[in-house]
Amino acid sequence: QVQLQESGPRLVKPSGTLSLICTVSGASITTNNWWSWIRQPPGKALEWIGEMYPSGSTSYNSSLRSRVTISMDKSKNQFSLHLNSMTAADTAVYYCARRSAADAFDVWGQGTMVTVSS
Amino acid sequence: DIVMTQSPDSLAVSLGERATINCKSSQSVLYTSNNKNYLAWYQQKPGQPPKLLIYWASTRESGVPDRFSGSGSGTDFSLTISNLQAEDAAFYYCQQYHGTPPTFGQGTKLEIK
Repeated sequence: QVQLQESGPRLVKPSGTLSLICTVSGASITTNNWWSWIRQPPGKALEWIGEMYPSGSTSYNSSLRSRVTISMDKSKNQFSLHLNSMTAADTAVYYCARRSAADAFDVWGQGTMVTVSS
Repeated sequence: DIVMTQSPDSLAVSLGERATINCKSSQSVLYTSNNKNYLAWYQQKPGQPPKLLIYWASTRESGVPDRFSGSGSGTDFSLTISNLQAEDAAFYYCQQYHGTPPTFGQGTKLEIK
């Protein structure tokens, strides 16, 4: 059974950088899947942030591209999200997820609530 | 970006009855090369991540009860939940992956009367 777990700080200062790690268990991160980050502001809909393929290819939401980096540590079976220049608008639950061969997100982490505040 | 619009925003349906949620995309999500619609449906309960119910518009994810069914093609899609159970109370989201970025609908809140 594939499981994903997010970890990282819950509070980030304005203009700071968010760094989250997603640890994958039950499957190798080197399999033929895209590994994604998705967020959900309180009471709002889901927003795709970006994703990474084991080959190193990345794809980002154009609305965030200038501020986001996704990377992968195959030795630890983890992938990471870095989002800089954080503002209150970035306050959200951040999820990591696996995109299946059918291009749907079939496995999700539990999510971690990140608040941007001084 | 492809805009996904769901209707209604909320609905209340009696136990044992049927609920239908609609989703319209601003452009077709049908890939003519394989005749598949890249449209998925998710269920989300409070404090939980979304759960994949349906992909390719009408294919149920493994373990999802057959009370859940998806239909539609091109730009218009529906999620139907038959014989509603109390545990079906949740938010439901549609999502397309025909183009990047993948985008989600605004969500529909389903209440069980």
